[in-house]
Amino acid sequence: QITLNESGPTLVKPTQTLTLTCTFSGFSFSTSGMGVGWIRQPPGKALEWLALIFWNDDVRYSPSLKSRLTITKDTSRNQVVLTMTHMDPVDTATYYCAHRDFTLFDSFDMWGQGTKVTVSS
Amino acid sequence: DIQMTQSPSSLSASVGDRVTITCRSSQRINSYLSWYQQKPGKAPKLLIFGASTLQSGDPSRFSGSATGTDGTDFTLTINNLQPEDFASYYCQQSYDIPYTFGQGTKLEIK
Repeated sequence: QITLNESGPTLVKPTQTLTLTCTFSGFSFSTSGMGVGWIRQPPGKALEWLALIFWNDDVRYSPSLKSRLTITKDTSRNQVVLTMTHMDPVDTATYYCAHRDFTLFDSFDMWGQGTKVTVSS
Repeated sequence: DIQMTQSPSSLSASVGDRVTITCRSSQRINSYLSWYQQKPGKAPKLLIFGASTLQSGDPSRFSGSATGTDGTDFTLTINNLQPEDFASYYCQQSYDIPYTFGQGTKLEIK
């Protein structure tokens, strides 16, 4: 059974760096083709894909946020970390991590419960 | 980027109705189209992948299809609406990076 759990600060100040951790179980980065992604959702708005890291350390970012994002993985701890620099109030959102299943047309088949981040001074 | 245009943005229906939500991609995505259901305060849940394959455990009243001949038009159909189906629905393409989502459809009780 796959589970994911996001953790991190609920409040950050403008210009600060946000660091979010996704701790997962039920799968491993040793599985070829596997990936973990981050998606966010501002209050009342649509989902926005942010970043993806693959089993082979390949990473992909949203072009509009690429300069601010870094995604890494810690295979031994079953964790994926997302950092976002220069936070702004428009980055206020619920941030989700999700398991990407290459056998299901690369869909996100399992999601964490989300962590709500507010950017305010 | 591949743009996903989803319609309608909101929809009112009654229990027992049949509803259809459409999603159009700005270019061909070869069935790399997923549908998610999201209830208030909850994470999205995968319903359909590969445009038409129902995720394991999801009820068969949900179905997805690719329509048209150019591989850019997709539909999500819900037959015999149940009270638990009133939620928001999103399409998403995973054919190319950046992955992109539609703007969502909020399905409300009439």
